[in-house]
Amino acid sequence: DIKMTQSPSSLSASLGERVTISCRASENINNYLSWYQKKEDGSVKLLIYHTSRLQPGAPSRFSGSGSGKDYSLTISGLESEDIATYYCQQGYTPPTFGGGTKLELK
Amino acid sequence: EVQLVETGGGLVQPGRSLKLSCVASGFTFSSYWMYWIRQAPGKGLEWVSSINTDGGSTYYPDSVKGRFTISRDNAENTVYLQMNSLRSEDTATYYCAKDRGLRRALEFAYWGQGTLVTVSS
Repeated sequence: DIKMTQSPSSLSASLGERVTISCRASENINNYLSWYQKKEDGSVKLLIYHTSRLQPGAPSRFSGSGSGKDYSLTISGLESEDIATYYCQQGYTPPTFGGGTKLELK
Repeated sequence: EVQLVETGGGLVQPGRSLKLSCVASGFTFSSYWMYWIRQAPGKGLEWVSSINTDGGSTYYPDSVKGRFTISRDNAENTVYLQMNSLRSEDTATYYCAKDRGLRRALEFAYWGQGTLVTVSS
C-alpha cells in the first residue's frame, strides 16, 4: 500500500496568513492526489482533486500543486471558516490518506 | 443538492454484526461508484469498501475483507455495509461517500455526516 505522510501534523496561523500543508507519497502517484477538509462537526468536503483542480463550491483561496511523490495545499489568506483538519489522499487502489494536519488560529 | 444520510450505527458487542445504510439523493445514484470510509477515535481516515455502479464489483482492504460486505439497491438509492465478526478496532465513525466522476476516480466528492459504531462488551 502507498503510504501518505503529511506535515506538519498541526499548525497555528493568523487570519489572512498564507498557509501551506505538505504531503509526501511513498512512491510516485502521478498527480492522483486529493485534499479534504474535515471540520469539528464531522463534515468532510473535497477541496482539490488531481493535484490542482478545484472542486466546484470550494473557495478559490485553496490551491494545490505538486508532482511525483510531493504535493502541497495552500490557503492564500486564512479565514476563520478554514479552521479544520486537512487530509491528503492518493487515488490508487487501495486509496490511502495522510495522517492529517490540524489547523488552528494563532 | 447531493445528500448522503447514514444510519444504523450503535453499540455492539465484539463478534456480533451490524448493518449500516446510506440513503442518497440529489444525483443519479445508479451512475456512481460508492464507498465507505471510517475514522477511529483520534485516528486518521481509512477506506473500508468500494462498490461499482451495478453492484457487481466490490473491493475491501485486508483489515475488513471476509468480515464486511458492501452492497447497493439502485431502486432505493441506498448503499449498505454489512459488518460481521466485529472487533474493538472497528470502533469508528463510518462515512459513506460518492465518487466525483462517472467512472471510478477514487475521489470522494461528497460525504455523509457519519454514523458512530462502537464495539465493546
